[in-house]
Amino acid sequence: NAGVTQTPKFQVLKTGQSMTLQCAQDMNHEYMSWYRQDPGMGLRLIHYSVGAGITDQGEVPNGYNVSRSTTEDFPLRLLSAAPSQTSVYFCASSQPGWARNTEAFFGQGTRLTVV
Amino acid sequence: AQKITQTQPGMFVQEKEAVTLDCTYDTSDQSYGLFWYKQPSSGEMIFLIYQGSYDEQNATEGRYSLNFQKARKSANLVISASQLGDSAMYFCAMRSGGSARQLTFGSGTQLTVLP
Repeated sequence: NAGVTQTPKFQVLKTGQSMTLQCAQDMNHEYMSWYRQDPGMGLRLIHYSVGAGITDQGEVPNGYNVSRSTTEDFPLRLLSAAPSQTSVYFCASSQPGWARNTEAFFGQGTRLTVV
Repeated sequence: AQKITQTQPGMFVQEKEAVTLDCTYDTSDQSYGLFWYKQPSSGEMIFLIYQGSYDEQNATEGRYSLNFQKARKSANLVISASQLGDSAMYFCAMRSGGSARQLTFGSGTQLTVLP
């Protein structure tokens, strides 16, 4: 099993450019999420999805767009990159709920720099 | 709303000694799950241990155990017999509520194991 596959691993963008971070999972998980990690702030939720066709905003959604047309894929779009979006981005997937075996599985992360 | 607080930005421990990483949480839900993750310098997120709100016993996984005090809303991670490879960032996270859609993280604790 590949688990959660996230691409690219590194990316440099110029201010104002757009791009899509790709995320795919092969575990048939209903839940998928995007986080950003900044020093001293832990992981903050950008957007999440509880199933195909259903998405919702997390704590820091501004400047990002998501869609979920299939169970497997959950791309994150940066509409017009800003230096404040320089961060490490993680995609995660999990079974629904809060009980045992609902731990999130993470991709390897994308280190994004906006200049 | 749910919130996770980790008050120790950095911790040091001598090799072979035990160390406790603090985590307090806040939720109005009775049903919730608490998760600990390890992030080594390579960047990946590794799931360590889970504790459910209705679990009567503290969770244990090898050298990891949870000191779960429900009334105090704390879920401290205890690492016994620390090893150099335990040096990493550690995150406490929670998912709560009926649909438990969002996984919320604390700001993390950077643990350094000294030889």
